[in-house]
Amino acid sequence: QAVVTQEPSLTVSPGGTVTLTCGSSTGAVTSGHYPYWFQQQPGQAPRTLIYDTSNRHSWTPARFSGSLLGGKAALTLSGAQPEDEAEYYCLLSYSGGWVFGGGTKLTVL
Amino acid sequence: EVQLLESGGGLVQPGGSLRLSCAASGFTFGSYGMSWVRQAPGKGLEWVSGISGYGDSTYYAGSVKGRFTISRDNSKNTLFLQMNSLRAEDTAVYYCAKGIIPNVWGQGTLVTVSS
Repeated sequence: QAVVTQEPSLTVSPGGTVTLTCGSSTGAVTSGHYPYWFQQQPGQAPRTLIYDTSNRHSWTPARFSGSLLGGKAALTLSGAQPEDEAEYYCLLSYSGGWVFGGGTKLTVL
Repeated sequence: EVQLLESGGGLVQPGGSLRLSCAASGFTFGSYGMSWVRQAPGKGLEWVSGISGYGDSTYYAGSVKGRFTISRDNSKNTLFLQMNSLRAEDTAVYYCAKGIIPNVWGQGTLVTVSS
């Protein structure tokens, strides 16, 4: 089974910009992996932020954007808010199934 | 508003069985694939199983294949996960989600496998 890799932790200043990445052990991540991004606040269920690389849900703040960057999927947060402090997970689709990354703990400090 | 309400979690001994249910509302249930995702205590997310809208296609993670069975009753807007031969490593919060890849999540139900 493929392994999906994320940065274990990142820190961003309030109002700052940060990019989280999502890599695949099988090679470059492409749109054919249909990357998804999820946010999980402590003690809460996850919620889906981005689907199919770059599409936001109606509830996703505009400061979150998804893209492909340097062979990885990327989630960029522009203008970080204190409430954005959370764990972020990506998910990639493979012919054998769907695999989550290990998550990135984002601190807004 | 989409609502997903899981039930059926609890404490079960290793080797035992449990059936989870997810009651869905706020959308045309039979038109959407559904999935189960789990999260062990203090760990990350793991996609477990998915099912197509009609129920004719099912998908499983390798870790549960042959032990878990996903199904649905579209007349009752309900998703199920039958879990057999449970192991300690199956201990987790199990989330029901709209979409084979989750788009909307329930609040989860805790399954503890322990003697």
